[in-house]
Order: sequence, then C-alpha cells, then structure tokens
Amino acid sequence: SQQGEEDPQALSIQEGENATMNCSYKTSINNLQWYRQNSGRGLVHLILIRSNEREKHSGRLRVTLDTSKKSSSLLITASRAADTASYFCATDSYGNNRLAFGKGNQVVVIP
Amino acid sequence: EPEVTQTPSHQVTQMGQEVILRCVPISNHLYFYWYRQILGQKVEFLVSFYNNEISEKSEIFDDQFSVERPDGSNFTLKIRSTKLEDSAMYFCASSVNFGDGYTFGSGTRLTVV
Repeated sequence: SQQGEEDPQALSIQEGENATMNCSYKTSINNLQWYRQNSGRGLVHLILIRSNEREKHSGRLRVTLDTSKKSSSLLITASRAADTASYFCATDSYGNNRLAFGKGNQVVVIP
Repeated sequence: EPEVTQTPSHQVTQMGQEVILRCVPISNHLYFYWYRQILGQKVEFLVSFYNNEISEKSEIFDDQFSVERPDGSNFTLKIRSTKLEDSAMYFCASSVNFGDGYTFGSGTRLTVV
C-alpha cells in the first residue's frame, strides 16, 4: 500500500507568505517525518512527529498529525526564497524498518 | 554538523556492468539504509541494515543487489549487472535508532547507458 501520499500540489507564493502542504497515509504509523529536497540534491530531515503527538514546532515549521484521519500538514511561516524546494512526507510503521515516501510538493517562493 | 558522505556523486556505466556505490554513515549511527529516486518519481526504499546484516529489503532489492559494511566506516551498495532501469539517484541514509529521523547523503546519480 502507498504511504505518505501528499496532495500533489505545486505551490507558488510570495516571500513572507505562509505555505501549507498536506499528506495522507493509509496504515498505522510509528511516526511521520517531513523532508526537504532542493533540486538535484539530497533529502534534509526537517521534523519528526510521533503517532502520540498532535502538533510540533521547529523554528518556522509547524507540523500537525491527525491519526484519526491519517493525515498530516506542514506549515512554513514567513516563507523565504531559500524555502524553494520539494517537500516530502514519509511514514514509518511498527514492525517495518523503512520509510514510505509520498510524491512530494514543489514549493516556489518568489522574492 | 555530522554528514553522510556518498561517492561518487555521478557515475555512468554500461548496461551489464557492475557498480559499487559508496557511503560513509555518521559514526555513532547504528542503522543504515539505501533508497533510490528515479527522475521525477518517488523516493523508494531498497534496504535497511543493522548489526551487520540486512534487517529489511524491498521487492526492488533482488539478487542483483547486495550491501556490505566492509569495515567500521563504509557501507556499500553493489549492483551486479546494471540495467537501463537502474538509472536513478541513489541515497544512503543512517539513523541512531529505529524510529528516529534519518540523515541522508547527497546521493549518487547513476546513469546506465
């Protein structure tokens, strides 16, 4: 089954605005993680939220998790041009030692 | 900040040839992984490695693939006889414990011609 399916959106926003992207998944999870990928580069871990957590903050990032709806959202506040990247959610499930990635959201922040 | 190092950054190989992709995970991490990303597609899990053995592998990781930790620092992925469809970006990652966030390397772009 597919895990970590983001809404396949391409967001284009002005610098200073907030960017929100969503992710849904299908099975029970241990945690959900968000990663950033700049074009042609590696994946950078942004934030991890565990299944017993509902919200987490890290700097300008805010992640929510709704296990009843099997969904998560990532909010980037006060976006900057340097936030231009693809953002992926990834889930890891109990009993599996792997991450299942979604398709990614392309975010473009216009200076 | 500690990094996962991958070499080479780009490799071009003839179909049918063997390739070895190299990774140096973070020294105090215990879990090691390989993922791949075909251009424009999802990041796909290949294999996880713990305590000197494979802990999990995907259906992609068939007999053509193998992993090894030949010494205390390197972690390698070998593809014995490359196919055109093996062309992808291959990422190595490591984590301290299962269930932690991963640190990914910058990737090796493999092009099979």
